[in-house]
Amino acid sequence: GDSVTQMEGPVTLSEEAFLTINCTYTATGYPSLFWYVQYPGEGLQLLLKATKADDKGSNKGFEATYRKETTSFHLEKGSVQVSDSAVYFCALSEGGTGFQKLVFGTGTRLLVSP
Amino acid sequence: DTEVTQTPKHLVMGMTNKKSLKCEQHMGHRAMYWYKQKAKKPPELMFVYSYEKLSINESVPSRFSPECPNSSLLNLHLHALQPEDSALYLCASSSGISSSYEQYFGPGTRLTVT
Repeated sequence: GDSVTQMEGPVTLSEEAFLTINCTYTATGYPSLFWYVQYPGEGLQLLLKATKADDKGSNKGFEATYRKETTSFHLEKGSVQVSDSAVYFCALSEGGTGFQKLVFGTGTRLLVSP
Repeated sequence: DTEVTQTPKHLVMGMTNKKSLKCEQHMGHRAMYWYKQKAKKPPELMFVYSYEKLSINESVPSRFSPECPNSSLLNLHLHALQPEDSALYLCASSSGISSSYEQYFGPGTRLTVT
């Protein structure tokens, strides 16, 4: 079946550092790709998405590009803030007749220190 | 408004109790989902409702019983749970069922089974 692999965390950075969180996927079809963020004690929030190859999703300074040739969707941010500390989940979406299903990676915890 | 609400926020129940979790969205979304999330793990899909009909049941034990009374409301009825069922239960909705539609998550209900 389809799967998503994320880099192990935690990722520890100082404020204003550059962030990369790697995400690769395995899929038989042409999935859509998503990054979700989860702050402590909260639900998941959609951060960005891309629905086809070479699409770039962006939001709040975060970016990710759908790379079909490398089956990757790496998350980047040029300058992280303490408030970015959270768990980040990469996910792909499978669709079928009458349903949609998200397949999540294991999540990467980001810790940003002042 | 992209809000999914869930009640209660916290729930403690004994193994012989019957309780219900409630999820509501007023975005006109036609697909709704229940997920279970254990600590430091990604969400696991439990059920998918599409146009108020159950589309996916991911082999969830019968002590969990979903219900979709109308297009805005999703319930999860709980009965005779086990301590290992303690987790964060997340509800989500999406405007469509193809793979390109993002899911919007509620804040979750933190369930403790004693």
